[in-house]
Amino acid sequence: QVQLVQSGAEVKKPGASVKVSCKASGYTFTSYYMHWVRQAPGQGLEWMGIINPDDGSTRYAQKLQGRVTVTKDTSTSTVYMQLSSLRSEDTAVYYCARGEEVFARDWGQGTLVTVSS
Amino acid sequence: QSVLTQPPSVSGAPGQRVTISCTGSSSNIGAGHDVHWYQHLPGTAPKLLIFGNNNRPSGVPDRFSGSKSGTSASLAISGLQAEDEADYYCQSYDISLSGFVFGTGTKVTVL
Repeated sequence: QVQLVQSGAEVKKPGASVKVSCKASGYTFTSYYMHWVRQAPGQGLEWMGIINPDDGSTRYAQKLQGRVTVTKDTSTSTVYMQLSSLRSEDTAVYYCARGEEVFARDWGQGTLVTVSS
Repeated sequence: QSVLTQPPSVSGAPGQRVTISCTGSSSNIGAGHDVHWYQHLPGTAPKLLIFGNNNRPSGVPDRFSGSKSGTSASLAISGLQAEDEADYYCQSYDISLSGFVFGTGTKVTVL
């Protein structure tokens, strides 16, 4: 069965960077896109970006352009999301989600990132 | 801010039918992009309910159905059950933002 296992919770100071991993199993890694979505406390879902694990191409939400980078390691079927210049507003649960280019089928368990001085 | 608008909450008694609207614009739903729906229980991972406007992934009960018309879409839940109490989000693609967009989210309460 499809599994997306994310790295554990992180606490970061404002201005720092965070890198969250998402290890995929149970399917052909290069056959599906991987999205990153976050949910801040009391807020809705926010799409952050997408990577095509086949060719490594990426697209990011305009709001996060320049601060977010999504990469992949095909040898370990792992996708990474790095967010830099962290602010308190980046405190959220971050999800990876496997799917098609236009929607997400299966989701990771979520990773809480807390930004606090 | 989200470009897809949903009602903040809807409620219904067990067994009733409720609908959730998702209103977009000519740069997303109205441009012909499909609408997808997710169910999200706090503390858990979101779950895909409907993809491509009206298709259910395997395992999703046929109590859930979707539709799309013009610049809007709807999710209907018939035979409402206690386990349906959750947050629901629509999602589409927006040309002007060049990316995924989610709706504002709707909390469904089973009375």
